[in-house]
Amino acid sequence: DAGVTQSPTHLIKTRGQQVTLRCSPKSGHDTVSWYQQALGQGPQFIFQYYEEEERQRGNFPDRFSGHQFPNYSSELNVNALLLGDSALYLCASRGTGTGSYEQYFGPGTRLTVT
Amino acid sequence: AQSVSQHNHHVILSEAASLELGCNYSYGGTVNLFWYVQYPGQHLQLLLKYFSGDPLVKGIKGFEAEFIKSKFSFNLRKPSVQWSDTAEYFCAVKLPNNNDMRFGAGTRLTVKP
Repeated sequence: DAGVTQSPTHLIKTRGQQVTLRCSPKSGHDTVSWYQQALGQGPQFIFQYYEEEERQRGNFPDRFSGHQFPNYSSELNVNALLLGDSALYLCASRGTGTGSYEQYFGPGTRLTVT
Repeated sequence: AQSVSQHNHHVILSEAASLELGCNYSYGGTVNLFWYVQYPGQHLQLLLKYFSGDPLVKGIKGFEAEFIKSKFSFNLRKPSVQWSDTAEYFCAVKLPNNNDMRFGAGTRLTVKP
């Protein structure tokens, strides 16, 4: 049983460019959340997707957008990249039927903006 | 501002020493509490969680945490650490009916053999 997978592992972009990160949830999970983890910090909630819609959003600008596909996989898009967007981007999945709210995290995508 | 605070940035212990990592939060009302661990080069993994009931919760690998509502605390403990416990530990809080999970900044634990 594959856990949460993310691609790519590492990415280097230039300021002003756009980037798309991808996530496949754990088998049986239908809810995907995205987090940004800056160096030396804990993960910060970006948004959550369920039934192909953004269910909740954290304190991130509109440059951060996402999408969920019918197979529950998800994409995180960041436009007009800033140096401060350099971070590890984590995807986490869970099943809505689970009352314990246990999220499973992926390995992350390390984004470097130069 | 509402937050999750982890008091220790880096803790260094020798094997067999006892561990206690502090976590305080500033959210009022009912909260769900979690401790996650990130071993070097690995994903974040859930160590334990508290939703309700017995405030002393036991997790994997001999870890436990105690929820003290009056102190807004959820400290992580282990009686005797091992070298393999070297990792980054994150405390997290989730409000009921809210999908946003708030994490502390993390505590790096180094266990010397």
